[in-house]
Amino acid sequence: AQSVSQHNHHVILSEAASLELGCNYSYGGTVNLFWYVQYPGQHLQLLLKYFSGDPLVKGIKGFEAEFIKSKFSFNLRKPSVQWSDTAEYFCAVTGRMDSSYKLIFGSGTRLLVRP
Amino acid sequence: DTGVSQDPRHKITKRGQNVTFRCDPISEHNRLYWYRQTLGQGPEFLTYFQNEAQLEKSRLLSDRFSAERPKGSFSTLEIQRTEQGDSAMYLCGPGTQNTGELFFGEGSRLTVL
Repeated sequence: AQSVSQHNHHVILSEAASLELGCNYSYGGTVNLFWYVQYPGQHLQLLLKYFSGDPLVKGIKGFEAEFIKSKFSFNLRKPSVQWSDTAEYFCAVTGRMDSSYKLIFGSGTRLLVRP
Repeated sequence: DTGVSQDPRHKITKRGQNVTFRCDPISEHNRLYWYRQTLGQGPEFLTYFQNEAQLEKSRLLSDRFSAERPKGSFSTLEIQRTEQGDSAMYLCGPGTQNTGELFFGEGSRLTVL
């Protein structure tokens, strides 16, 4: 079955700490991958996306993610987090052979950054 | 500004009542998607439209749910005979064809008492 696993449900960090959020997917075929972020009280926003090419993609606000095909992973990273990064982060996948291009989301990781 | 207007933002209703949500993308997109998000979970796909045609419905969309996109612009999602299990955030937004990139609105939160 198609699925996305985000193993860390809650992460607490101090400001300036490095961040890595895990995302593993189960999906046959070629995929497009996404990270969305939801700040408190706000709507879901696209953080970054991977379609093809360089497996290391850079997004907004200093975030980056690396696609490792052999591990079916698309982990999110940031070298130094800020208090304003406190949010919930969702990884999502869709298959390029699926004409609907519907996204399958993970259950999310809540990040709390302490000042 | 999300580029997507959803109305109402919050609806509280009693079990058994019907509710309707409206989704208005500001810009024109061929594709429009509906998702549902419950507490502690990621969004789950409900259905999507290509212009006015509803092309796929999730198993989550029971026969109490109906969605329309009559002119290929705005869309409505109606839930009949609401149940407490329908309590969730209902998200909609246009999607980019051939990539899956979605642009979400603020959502419509449904609380069924």
